[in-house]
Amino acid sequence: DGGITQSPKYLFRKEGQNVTLSCEQNLNHDAMYWYRQDPGQGLRLIYYSQIVNDFQKGDIAEGYSVSREKKESFPLTVTSAQKNPTAFDLCASSTPRGPENTEAFFGQGTRLTVV
Amino acid sequence: AQTVTQSQPEMSVQEAETVTLSCTYDTSESDYYLFWYKQPPSRQMILVIRQEAYKQQNATENRFSVNFQKAAKSFSLKISDSQLGDAAMYFCAYRTNTDKLIFGTGTRLQVFP
Repeated sequence: DGGITQSPKYLFRKEGQNVTLSCEQNLNHDAMYWYRQDPGQGLRLIYYSQIVNDFQKGDIAEGYSVSREKKESFPLTVTSAQKNPTAFDLCASSTPRGPENTEAFFGQGTRLTVV
Repeated sequence: AQTVTQSQPEMSVQEAETVTLSCTYDTSESDYYLFWYKQPPSRQMILVIRQEAYKQQNATENRFSVNFQKAAKSFSLKISDSQLGDAAMYFCAYRTNTDKLIFGTGTRLQVFP
């Protein structure tokens, strides 16, 4: 089945520790995205990538880093500079702009907690 | 920079009635895409409906329809014959011509029997 897989579902991070969230898609999508959703809030863009080996900062990129070495994969590293105690991180992918199927497909999300 | 605004943090509707959720956006682009997503308590994002800016006809998907006013930069979602399963967070989203996807802050919809 085609889709987006995020792992892990739950992740605990110690202060000062870097952690990496995985996002893999087998939909052959070019564009991939990372969002953070704080409790009761909307989705805020962390990073996005239109194509392999290229990515752009979103509105809240501080404390995060990404890579896009393969079309299928867009891992997100949360560094010790990211102070948010709890967040729900969502990965998404989409096809290039065109007449059909322009919507983004989302993974199940990762709940990240600082302990 | 593009922005998306949802001015209704919460809305409620009685089962079988109709409710309209508001969304406005700001952009200087002429070609873009707009979406409404639903996020139930499971937190899985589900596409409700999409609208291409170059299409004048409003999109419709079963009980869901939009009122797209390009000049006013407005994109409201109408849910007809509301059902208990429609209760969720609803997000309006805008896709730029560089594939950036921007979301509003969401509207929590409650459906009462």
